[in-house]
Formats: sequence, C-alpha cells, structure tokens
Amino acid sequence: SQTIHQWPATLVQPVGSPLSLECTVEGTSNPNLYWYRQAAGRGLQLLFYSVGIGQISSEVPQNLSASRPQDRQFILSSKKLLLSDSGFYLCAWRPQPGQGLSNYGYTFGSGTRLTVV
Amino acid sequence: AQSVTQPDIHITVSEGASLELRCNYSYGATPYLFWYVQSPGQGLQLLLKYFSGDTLVQGIKGFEAEFKRSQSSFNLRKPSVHWSDAAEYFCAVGPRAGSYQLTFGKGTKLSVIP
Repeated sequence: SQTIHQWPATLVQPVGSPLSLECTVEGTSNPNLYWYRQAAGRGLQLLFYSVGIGQISSEVPQNLSASRPQDRQFILSSKKLLLSDSGFYLCAWRPQPGQGLSNYGYTFGSGTRLTVV
Repeated sequence: AQSVTQPDIHITVSEGASLELRCNYSYGATPYLFWYVQSPGQGLQLLLKYFSGDTLVQGIKGFEAEFKRSQSSFNLRKPSVHWSDAAEYFCAVGPRAGSYQLTFGKGTKLSVIP
C-alpha cells in the first residue's frame, strides 16, 4: 500500500534562517506531488506541484522554492525565512491521471507546523 | 474560474444532534466532488467522493453527502454527531479531464458541545 511521510512534524526557526521540509511517498511511482500551506483562517493555499522529476510549478510567488530530486521525494525550501512563512505545511500526492477513478483524489501527509520567531 | 464556497466558517452543534455542512461550487461543467476532514494538527483525510450515479454517497465515519446539480451543491450530513467529529471539513472539486487538480473550499470548523 502507499504511504506518505512528512518531516519534521514541528519546527521552530529564527527569522532569516534556511528551511528544508521533506516529503516522501512509498508504494507508488511517478506520483503527482503537492505542497500546501495553511495559515490560520485562510484555508489551503497551493504552493507548488510537480508532475515529474525536476518539474515544478509554482502557484504563488514568494519566499519559498520546491524541488523534486527523485521520483517520490518532494522538498520545500527557503534560503531566508520570514515571519509570514509561519504556518502548517502539508504535502499531498495523487496518481498520474489516467490510472482510474478509484485513484482520483489526494492523499495528505500529517503536516509540519512551522513557527518562525 | 472554478471556485468552491463553504459559507459557514464555524459551526457548533451538540453531541447527538444532526449536522449539515454546506458546499457550493462554480464550475464550467459538473466536476468530481470530495469531502475531506482534518483533525487538529493532522493532515486531511478523505471522507467521501462523488463521480457519477446515485447522488447520495456514503462515506467513512457515518457521513453522507448529496449532490444536487440544480443547486451546484454537495452538502455533507451526519444524523448524529459524536464529540470525535470535532474537526475542520473541506469540500473540494476536480475536473473530469486534464490535470485532475483539486480546488478546495476554505473549510468549515465544527465544534461539538458534549
């Protein structure tokens, strides 16, 4: 069966420090991968998505970047964190389109709570 | 552009009472429809989904949702709420072709009074 792992679960970082959040998926190949952020009362904000290795689409221009160095690995980074980067970050995956309706829908990781101080 | 509206930001119900969470969508064609639940500090879990056929769909944890094409709605219901249902609920829609990328509503937070 497929599983998705996100780490760390909680992170407290000072302003101006770098960031690296990692997400990996097991039990599948060539998934579509997504990074979302939740800020209080603002719902889910799609940050990045990837349909393959090295293919990253950015939905919102900001202080963050994403990379997909391996098929099932998705990394969210920042060179210098801002206070406004605080929030709950969620990784999600789904099979490539065309693999059947039963697979339609996202599976989410357990999230990372980032507090920038 | 497609959009999903969950008009209730926060709902409070008593344990044992019935629940209905509203979801309306704006889309070029009838989309695929989903409800997710998020417990505090956790990721989102799929409750149920609608693709076609019977407009009343059953999900996990005793939830059901009804698709009403004429109203562009996909409301979530539960006949008797349990304290463990306290969470945030997200409605989502996705296209029937193409990227299958989901669009999420802003969520409804459910509080349950014992």
